[in-house]
Amino acid sequence: SQTIHQWPATLVQPVGSPLSLECTVEGTSNPNLYWYRQAAGRGLQLLFYSVGIGQISSEVPQNLSASRPQDRQFILSSKKLLLSDSGFYLCAWSRTGGHGELFFGEGSRLTVL
Amino acid sequence: AQSVSQHNHHVILSEAASLELGCNYSYGGTVNLFWYVQYPGQHLQLLLKYFSGDPLVKGIKGFEAEFIKSKFSFNLRKPSVQWSDTAEYFCAVNLPTNAGKSTFGDGTTLTVKP
Repeated sequence: SQTIHQWPATLVQPVGSPLSLECTVEGTSNPNLYWYRQAAGRGLQLLFYSVGIGQISSEVPQNLSASRPQDRQFILSSKKLLLSDSGFYLCAWSRTGGHGELFFGEGSRLTVL
Repeated sequence: AQSVSQHNHHVILSEAASLELGCNYSYGGTVNLFWYVQYPGQHLQLLLKYFSGDPLVKGIKGFEAEFIKSKFSFNLRKPSVQWSDTAEYFCAVNLPTNAGKSTFGDGTTLTVKP
């Protein structure tokens, strides 16, 4: 069966420090991969999605970037965090050629101080 | 771009009450529709989905949703809720031509009192 792992679960970082959140998927090949941000009472906002290695689409201008160095690995990064980057980040995957049903990781709570 | 509206931000029910959570979307063409649920302390997971065919779809734990194309709606229902249904519920939509990009509603928090 397929599983998705996301880490770290909780992160507290000072303003201006770098960020790296990692996500890996097991049990499937060539998944579509996503990073979402979930704000309280605001639903999920799609940040990045990827249909293959090295292929990243950004949905909103921001201080973050994403990379996909391997087929089942997706990384969310920042060189210098801002206070506004605080939030709950979710990694997800879907099957290539499917209807887009998403399978989510446990999420990462980022607090920027 | 499509948008999704969930009209109820917080719903409080007693056990055995019936549930209906509203979801409306803005796109006029063919869509894929989903309800996701996030139980306290758990990750977000798929509750049910509609792609085509019978507009009344059934999901896990006795939930169902009805797609009404003329109303651009995909409301979630359950005849009798349980305390364990306490969770946050999200409606989502994507376009078959770009199924990778789902748009989510703001979510509805359901609290079921024992």
